Amino acid sequence: EVQLVESGGGLVQPGGSLRLSCAAFGATFRTYSMNWVRQAPGKGLEWLSFIGGNVRNTYYADSVKGRFTISRDDGKNSLYLQMNSLRAEDTAVYYCATVNSYYMSVWGKGTTVTVSS
Amino acid sequence: QSVLTQPPSVSGAPGQRVTISCTGRSSNIGAGYGVHWYQQLPGTAPKLLIYANNNRPSGVPDRLSGSKSGTSASLAITGLQAEDEGDYYCQSYDTSLSAWVFGGGTKLTVL
Repeated sequence: EVQLVESGGGLVQPGGSLRLSCAAFGATFRTYSMNWVRQAPGKGLEWLSFIGGNVRNTYYADSVKGRFTISRDDGKNSLYLQMNSLRAEDTAVYYCATVNSYYMSVWGKGTTVTVSS
Repeated sequence: QSVLTQPPSVSGAPGQRVTISCTGRSSNIGAGYGVHWYQQLPGTAPKLLIYANNNRPSGVPDRLSGSKSGTSASLAITGLQAEDEGDYYCQSYDTSLSAWVFGGGTKLTVL
C-alpha cells in the first residue's frame, strides 16, 4: 500500500506564497488520482483540489480557485500544491490523500501552514 | 456550514451501540454518490473506515457498519470501546458543486 508524506508547511505572511509537497512511497504513484484536503484549527475537513492519475484533469474548491494550483511529477512520485495570495483563513493542517472512486483511501500525516504577520 | 449535516456529538458507554447520522441532498447522497466515513483520533490524520456506503477496508472491525437510504446515511458502532473516542466525518461527492464534500464531523465520547 502506498504511503504519503507531506512537507513544505510553515509560517508565511498574508499575501505570501508556499509550495506543499506530498511524496508517495511503496506503490506506482502515476496510477493514483490525488486530493488535497485541509483542516483549520478546531474545525472540520475541507476538500481543496483534485488531480487525476492517467487523465490529468484538475478541480478546485471555490475557496482556493485562482490562488492554489495542484500538480504532480510522476517521475519523482510527488504531488504538489502551489499556494499564492495566502490569507489568515488558509491557516490549517494540509493533507494529501489517494482518491479511489470518490473516496480517499490513504492519507498522509499532514503539514501545518500558518498565515500570520 | 457543511454541505453534509452531522450531529456535533454523540456518546455511549463501553459495550453500547451508537449511530452517527449524515444528511445530504439530491445533488450528493440523493444523486447516488456513495457515502464514506473517516475516523480521526486526537492528533492524527483521518483514516478511512467505511467506503461506498457499507464496505469496510481491510483491518476495520465488523462492529463498524454503514448504511444509506435516500439522502441520508449512518454509521453504527457496536460494542463501543474507549479507543473509539474521536471525531467521525462522512463524505460524498456533490454534482452541483463538482466537489468532494464533508460533514461537519461528530465527536464520539465513550463515557
